[in-house]
Amino acid sequence: DAGITQSPRHKVTETGTPVTLRCHQTENHRYMYWYRQDPGHGLRLIHYSYGVKDTDKGEVSDGYSVSRSKTEDFLLTLESATSSQTSVYFCAIRTSGTDGELFFGEGSRLTVL
Amino acid sequence: QKEVEQNSGPLSVPEGAIASLNCTYSDRGSQSFFWYRQYSGKSPELIMFIYSNGDKEDGRFTAQLNKASQYVSLLIRDSQPSDSATYLCAVSGAGSYQLTFGKGTKLSVIP
Repeated sequence: DAGITQSPRHKVTETGTPVTLRCHQTENHRYMYWYRQDPGHGLRLIHYSYGVKDTDKGEVSDGYSVSRSKTEDFLLTLESATSSQTSVYFCAIRTSGTDGELFFGEGSRLTVL
Repeated sequence: QKEVEQNSGPLSVPEGAIASLNCTYSDRGSQSFFWYRQYSGKSPELIMFIYSNGDKEDGRFTAQLNKASQYVSLLIRDSQPSDSATYLCAVSGAGSYQLTFGKGTKLSVIP
């Protein structure tokens, strides 16, 4: 158990509404990630963070923003949700520098109607 | 764009057989390689990691890396029905914060 909690675990919302997903870790790891997983596309990186207030874009960052004001929390925001953002979102932490493995949270299933 | 390719399967093997899962990657500078297992509706969990050319064994699992061919594989010996899952290959470049994942291979072990 890598001490990662995602919330909410399930959410249904309507197109155009803002949505924030939260990832909370208890072990003070520096590196945190948001991935989305879709059939036929696998896991794709949205944004990642390498420290408080230090974030960068992944391959599918359009329509998403992130914030990390504390080591333990990494927030993913959809400013105006679209149906194409219906997905399962996974938060992950990396345990050691740039060679370590990722450990994943349990996922958040988001449906945008 | 860094790419990681896997055969999507499904790969079906009888119980007790060896399952062989393959992965190729495009970035020749890649240095860290990971295999994850994902059961339906669950999050990915790490099975193996390998950094050096050659084989690495852990119980019934063996990871094989050939950097010259840009190829990494996972062998599962004595396959069990509980091994039925999707297996994800992930690759990280030297000094890179990012892991790039393949789309996964679905394995079915038939009793």
